[in-house]
Amino acid sequence: QVNLQESGPGLVKPSQPLSVTCSVTGYSITTSYYYWNWIRKFPGNKLEWMGYISYDGSIYYNPSLKSRISITRDTSKNQFFLQLNTVTTEDTAVYYCARTPFDYWGQGVMVTVSS
Amino acid sequence: DIQMTQSPSSLPASLGDRVTITCRASQDIGNYLRWFQQKPGKSPRLMIYGATNLAAGVPSRFSGSRSGSDYSLTISSLESEDMADYYCLQSKESPLTFGSGTKLEIK
Repeated sequence: QVNLQESGPGLVKPSQPLSVTCSVTGYSITTSYYYWNWIRKFPGNKLEWMGYISYDGSIYYNPSLKSRISITRDTSKNQFFLQLNTVTTEDTAVYYCARTPFDYWGQGVMVTVSS
Repeated sequence: DIQMTQSPSSLPASLGDRVTITCRASQDIGNYLRWFQQKPGKSPRLMIYGATNLAAGVPSRFSGSRSGSDYSLTISSLESEDMADYYCLQSKESPLTFGSGTKLEIK
């Protein structure tokens, strides 16, 4: 059974980096031809796709975030990571990880940006 | 970026009703369209992929269709467990983009 679980800080101060981990069990993140995504849902219910890291390590970021986002992975731990730099209150959201074809999602982690 | 215009934003309906939610794509996305259901406090659930294909475990009262650049999710006979938010997602090209969502609620 594929399971994804996000973990993160809960509260981040403005201008600081936001880091969230997605731990995957039941499936290797290096298995062809799957992609591992980050998506967030804002308080107003808008969903935004942030980017992915693929089975072979290639990465694509949403251009709207390109200067602030980094997605990496640790294949030995079967985890992938989101880092978003220089956050503002507008980055307050629930952060989800999901496997393309979007059949498996994590439960989401709420991250609030506030001083 | 491809814009997905979803309507309506809110849909009051009665149990047993047939309801339809629509997304219009700003450019050609072929059948690279998915529909998700999301309930409060839960992660999105894949309902339809490839515009018309029912995802595993999804009741047969759900269906997806396409007419040109318009994509629809239809529930043939609304049940109480269907009350949720629904979103479309295009994956024809990056960045992937979601519709703005439809809140399906009891009239």
